Amino acid sequence: AQSVTQLGSHVSVSEGALVLLRCNYSSSVPPYLFWYVQYPNQGLQLLLKYTTGATLVKGINGFEAEFKKSETSFHLTKPSAHMSDAAEYFCAVRKSNFGNEKLTFGTGTRLTIIP
Amino acid sequence: GAGVSQSPRYKVAKRGQDVALRCDPISGHVSLFWYQQALGQGPEFLTYFQNEAQLDKSGLPSDRFFAERPEGSVSTLKIQRTQQEDSAVYLCASSLQQGASYEQYFGPGTRLTVT
Repeated sequence: AQSVTQLGSHVSVSEGALVLLRCNYSSSVPPYLFWYVQYPNQGLQLLLKYTTGATLVKGINGFEAEFKKSETSFHLTKPSAHMSDAAEYFCAVRKSNFGNEKLTFGTGTRLTIIP
Repeated sequence: GAGVSQSPRYKVAKRGQDVALRCDPISGHVSLFWYQQALGQGPEFLTYFQNEAQLDKSGLPSDRFFAERPEGSVSTLKIQRTQQEDSAVYLCASSLQQGASYEQYFGPGTRLTVT
């Protein structure tokens, strides 16, 4: 079985400050890891993903995340928050063996940007 | 090009009614997924199609839920004898092929409210 834990259902940061959204996972096989963003009344949009190779992955809108196997973590960061970053963020995991296509999501973190 | 579309966007059903939710994937996308997102939660996997074949339906919560994709394109999620606990946003996603290299593109969802 696989699962995702997102610490902090709500995070508030000031505009221009560092954004850090935490994600820990458990998986019985090497995982593929994803971060999605959801704006109100919209579907989920992929920010970035880790499959293999470099453990630091860069995504859209200046976000990046680092896969740390020893810590079973995949935290999302952005050096300087922008008002447009206010949204719900979901971490997700998928088994890496072929044919296991389903994503298992965390419960989400709502990011608020303080002007 | 056009993204994943879902209809209706909002559906109110009386308890006990049957509902049908439609998903139009991106043209040419082979894989199609249904997820259920309860209020304040992350999406949960329901079922997955590869073309017209339903390869995984392990997430369907009961035999009242039924999904089909008869021609390998449009998919319909049907819920019979709706219950209040079925109230949620139902998300559809499609991807070009199997495998983590292929992003799952999400539609805006159908918000089902059972009264």
